[in-house]
Amino acid sequence: AQSVSQHNHHVILSEAASLELGCNYSYGGTVNLFWYVQYPGQHLQLLLKYFSGDPLVKGIKGFEAEFIKSKFSFNLRKPSVQWSDTAEYFCAVTVADTGRRALTFGSGTRLQVQP
Amino acid sequence: GAGVSQTPSNKVTEKGKYVELRCDPISGHTALYWYRQSLGQGPEFLIYFQGTGAADDSGLPNDRFFAVRPEGSVSTLKIQRTERGDSAVYLCASSFSLYNEQFFGPGTRLTVL
Repeated sequence: AQSVSQHNHHVILSEAASLELGCNYSYGGTVNLFWYVQYPGQHLQLLLKYFSGDPLVKGIKGFEAEFIKSKFSFNLRKPSVQWSDTAEYFCAVTVADTGRRALTFGSGTRLQVQP
Repeated sequence: GAGVSQTPSNKVTEKGKYVELRCDPISGHTALYWYRQSLGQGPEFLIYFQGTGAADDSGLPNDRFFAVRPEGSVSTLKIQRTERGDSAVYLCASSFSLYNEQFFGPGTRLTVL
């Protein structure tokens, strides 16, 4: 079964710092990749997704992620974080070539942005 | 409604009791998913429906858990003989089809005393 690893459990940054959150998955076939965000007191929201095509994906709020198939990675980046980016971030994958549509999530990264 | 809704938002029950958790998907979404999220973890898949039928229930932990979606819209997750280990946030998501992104509801926080 596939798995997703997020190695950074808790990241603390100052405003305007650059962000990169790691995500690695274990499945060797065709995957669809997602980043979800959960702001304090709110539900999970989709930040961005990769299905096919350009491996550099742009999402909402200035976030982007790059799919590197050879590294089984889908890292999330933002050039300059804001205090309002404080949230928990989840990477998730579905396996496209088996037809199984359930999302497999990583354990999440808690981002704290200090003003 | 505009988004996925779940009721109740909080449920406290005693060990051994039966509980039902409800999910109202986004109107027009044919696929519906249930996940469970324990503290400090990412959501874990339980079951998903395409229409009225369970397309994949491989994530249900044991036969105390059951879910239905009789008319292809609202779904109910049912847990019999609850145990303290069932305490978690139960999340529901829906998507336009099985091949579109999933939109999540606010969750039901279940506490088993």
